[in-house]
Amino acid sequence: GIQVEQSPPDLILQEGANSTLRCNFSDSVNNLQWFHQNPWGQLINLFYIPSGTKQNGRLSATTVATERYSLLYISSSQTTDSGVYFCAGMEYGNKLVFGAGTILRVKS
Amino acid sequence: IAGITQAPTSQILAAGRRMTLRCTQDMRHNAMYWYRQDLGLGLRLIHYSNTAGTTGKGEVPDGYSVSRANTDDFPLTLASAVPSQTSVYFCASSSNLHSEQFFGPGTRLTVL
Repeated sequence: GIQVEQSPPDLILQEGANSTLRCNFSDSVNNLQWFHQNPWGQLINLFYIPSGTKQNGRLSATTVATERYSLLYISSSQTTDSGVYFCAGMEYGNKLVFGAGTILRVKS
Repeated sequence: IAGITQAPTSQILAAGRRMTLRCTQDMRHNAMYWYRQDLGLGLRLIHYSNTAGTTGKGEVPDGYSVSRANTDDFPLTLASAVPSQTSVYFCASSSNLHSEQFFGPGTRLTVL
C-alpha cells in the first residue's frame, strides 16, 4: 500500500504569516484529501484534490500526481487555523491512508 | 442539517464489556467507514461498507464487527472490550468507495 509523509511535523506561526505544508506519497493515488483537525478533535474537509489546484478563501492546494506530492498553502494565518493538518491518499479500493499530520500553532 | 452523527460522544467502559458505537448519515451515501485514531499512529481503517448489505475488513479489524442493514446506519460493535481499544473512533461516509470522505465528530472510548 501507499505511504504518506507530511512535512513539517510541527510549525509555529505569527498571526498574519503564510505557510506551505507538504504531503508526499509513495505511489499514485486516485483520491487525495486535506483535513484540518481542530483543537476540539473535529476533522474538517479542506480539499478533495487528486490533481490540479483548488482555492477556498485563504487556503489553496495543489496536487502534482505525476510527481507524487501535494501542497497546502495557508495565507494570512489566523489563530483559528491552529490544529493538525492531515493529508490522506487512496491508492485504490476503500482505504484512505493518512499521514502523521502537521501540528500548526498560530500565535497572536 | 445534512451530515454524520455519532453516539455516544464519549464512554468509559470496563474491560470485557460489550459496546456498540452508533453512526448515522443522512447524505444517502453508499459507502461508510470506521476509523480509529491513536496518538502517533494516525487514523487507521477498521471496517468499511460499500453499500447496504455488504461489509469489508480494513487495516485493523480484529476485535470489531460491523453491520449495514440500511443505507443510513453503520454500527461498530466491540464484543469484549480490551484496554488496547481505548481510542477515538471516527465514522465516515462517501458517495462511493473512490470519492471524497466526510467524517463524523468522533467517539472517545476508554476501556479500563
